[in-house]
Amino acid sequence: NAGVMQNPRHLVRRRGQEARLRCSPMKGHSHVYWYRQLPEEGLKFMVYLQKENIIDESGMPKERFSAEFPKEGPSILRIQQVVRGDSAAYFCASSPRSGGFVGELFFGEGSRLTVL
Amino acid sequence: GQQVMQIPQYQHVQEGEDFTTYCNSSTTLSNIQWYKQRPGGHPVFLIQLVKSGEVKKQKRLTFQFGEAKKNSSLHITATQTTDVGTYFCAGPGAAGNKLTFGGGTRVLVKP
Repeated sequence: NAGVMQNPRHLVRRRGQEARLRCSPMKGHSHVYWYRQLPEEGLKFMVYLQKENIIDESGMPKERFSAEFPKEGPSILRIQQVVRGDSAAYFCASSPRSGGFVGELFFGEGSRLTVL
Repeated sequence: GQQVMQIPQYQHVQEGEDFTTYCNSSTTLSNIQWYKQRPGGHPVFLIQLVKSGEVKKQKRLTFQFGEAKKNSSLHITATQTTDVGTYFCAGPGAAGNKLTFGGGTRVLVKP
């Protein structure tokens, strides 16, 4: 069974460019979470999605950031007009979650964004 | 909003010694989870505690959930170099939609 797949693993962008990060959840998982991690810091929640629905985006910056999880294909986190402060590791996690409170999360290996 | 705090932020341990890291939530939790992240790696689930006062063991790791379900601890005995990494606790928010992670305890082991 493949785990959570994220790509690209490393991405370098210049200021003002767009970054597009992809995440394929584990087979059978329909819940996807995105977290951001700055060096030497914890994991900050960004957004929680189910297929075709954004459930909770309370951690997403209001501008330049967007996320989607289409009916077909991976979840995508999109950062427009990147700035140096966007440099971080972006982790995607998935869960089978059948109801109630969120249980164990399965994390991908992360996408490490560097903005020059 | 909910806050989850961990102390200490850094833990330097001599190989073979024991240590404890602590996790405190600003709100009562339905459950608490612990994850480990190796340097350069991704978080990996260790355990989930659900009941008040629950204690679970995994080899040299002992996890405890507080009576009030607002705090937790992780105790590691006879620390080994394989224990190096950052240990995060995490709890669900009121709506149960997401996990809020603590800042982590970074464990460094001196051989």
